[in-house]
Amino acid sequence: AQSVTQLDSQVPVFEEAPVELRCNYSSSVSVYLFWYVQYPNQGLQLLLKYLSGSTLVESINGFEAEFNKSQTSFHLRKPSVHISDTAEYFCAVSPLSGGSQGNLIFGKGTKLSVKP
Amino acid sequence: DTAVSQTPKYLVTQMGNDKSIKCEQNLGHDTMYWYKQDSKKFLKIMFSYNNKELIINETVPNRFSPKSPDKAHLNLHINSLELGDSAVYFCASSQRASRVTNEKLFFGSGTQLSVL
Repeated sequence: AQSVTQLDSQVPVFEEAPVELRCNYSSSVSVYLFWYVQYPNQGLQLLLKYLSGSTLVESINGFEAEFNKSQTSFHLRKPSVHISDTAEYFCAVSPLSGGSQGNLIFGKGTKLSVKP
Repeated sequence: DTAVSQTPKYLVTQMGNDKSIKCEQNLGHDTMYWYKQDSKKFLKIMFSYNNKELIINETVPNRFSPKSPDKAHLNLHINSLELGDSAVYFCASSQRASRVTNEKLFFGSGTQLSVL
């Protein structure tokens, strides 16, 4: 079975400050890793994903996440946040094999609040 | 135009009632899903349909029955509602079958179900 832990339920930061949203996972099989974002009153949207290759993946709006296999982590970072980044962020994993292959297991989410 | 739309956005009902949540996607995708987000914010897959065929059916009470009249629609019917059914239900779609785990999922904005 897989599980995803997002230790921080809320992260308040000031505009233009750096931010890191933490995500750790556990799995007995290899997984794909994802970050989804949910803006207020909208559905979940894929932000970025790690499938294979370079462990550092980037999104089009300045976020990046690094897959660390030894620490089983996939933390999300942005060097300078904007007010418009205020949203809830969900880390998710999907096992490559086994009975749960194809399913997405989500963390509890982290609410990022960017203040002026 | 909304890519994945689900209705209603809010649903408040009494225990024992039967209710339905509708989902439609206009992306031309082959695969649709239902996820349940419980009070602890975990998103768990319930069902997945590919071209109107059920391909994922997690451990869900048989009071929950998905119906897919065509590949653009996946409705969720719930019979004899119980207090524990209170949650936010998300519909999603992807281009291809869910076993291809690197497929991008597009989510609806969720339906908040409250059972009194």
